[in-house]
Amino acid sequence: QSVLTQPPSVSAAPGQMVTISCSGSSSNIGNHYVSWFQHLPGTAPKLLIYEDSKRSSGIPDRFSGSKSDTSATLGITGLQTGDEADYYCGTWDINLGGSWVFGGGTKVTVL
Amino acid sequence: QVTLRESGPALVKSTQTLTLTCTFSGFSLSTSGMCVSWIRQPPGKALEWLALIDWDDDKYYSPSLKSRLTVSKGASNNQVVLRMTNMDPVDAATYYCVRTRSGFGGYVFDDWGQGTLVTVSS
Repeated sequence: QSVLTQPPSVSAAPGQMVTISCSGSSSNIGNHYVSWFQHLPGTAPKLLIYEDSKRSSGIPDRFSGSKSDTSATLGITGLQTGDEADYYCGTWDINLGGSWVFGGGTKVTVL
Repeated sequence: QVTLRESGPALVKSTQTLTLTCTFSGFSLSTSGMCVSWIRQPPGKALEWLALIDWDDDKYYSPSLKSRLTVSKGASNNQVVLRMTNMDPVDAATYYCVRTRSGFGGYVFDDWGQGTLVTVSS
């Protein structure tokens, strides 16, 4: 059971938009920056977004991040077949002395 | 160009100790704010953060695995070593080392190695 809650899957047609939610609490998202990662099959995970909304180097502006209270959201616009992957949110959690925690991951399917 | 490469045994037996080495280039772990993290992913499951060592040799561990983990700088100044004791089949996973930056905004996991798959036999 992950500390951060993500929907197991989302889907949309090419060119459409999807959003992925990441729900936490005051011990994590509510007081710490959120990052988002893309994990394509057979490759290493890639940092997409850090500090809630900053895009990592080379990440197109089709990817965006936002946060409100204890929830964060990743948005992907102009969906492409190459975006089909697992997406993870992550942040610091102060419980139990502090540790980095990930969400359970969301599978994005391009229909 | 930053690169990281994980190395170690592909197969360990239950109760044995796993030792993984991360060999990196393109950055210095002596630079203020620089860190290396270890993250794993069991087959079909989510990412799990394990440990982090920073430029000042401070170490941080997953609370649930703290008693079994040790992270340290290697003999070479471009290596980090992770040790996990008392391995169990549930520890089977792909293990990643990650260049991590520490700053006002917290930790940023910038660059990932390709990962190394570890299987645990019972």
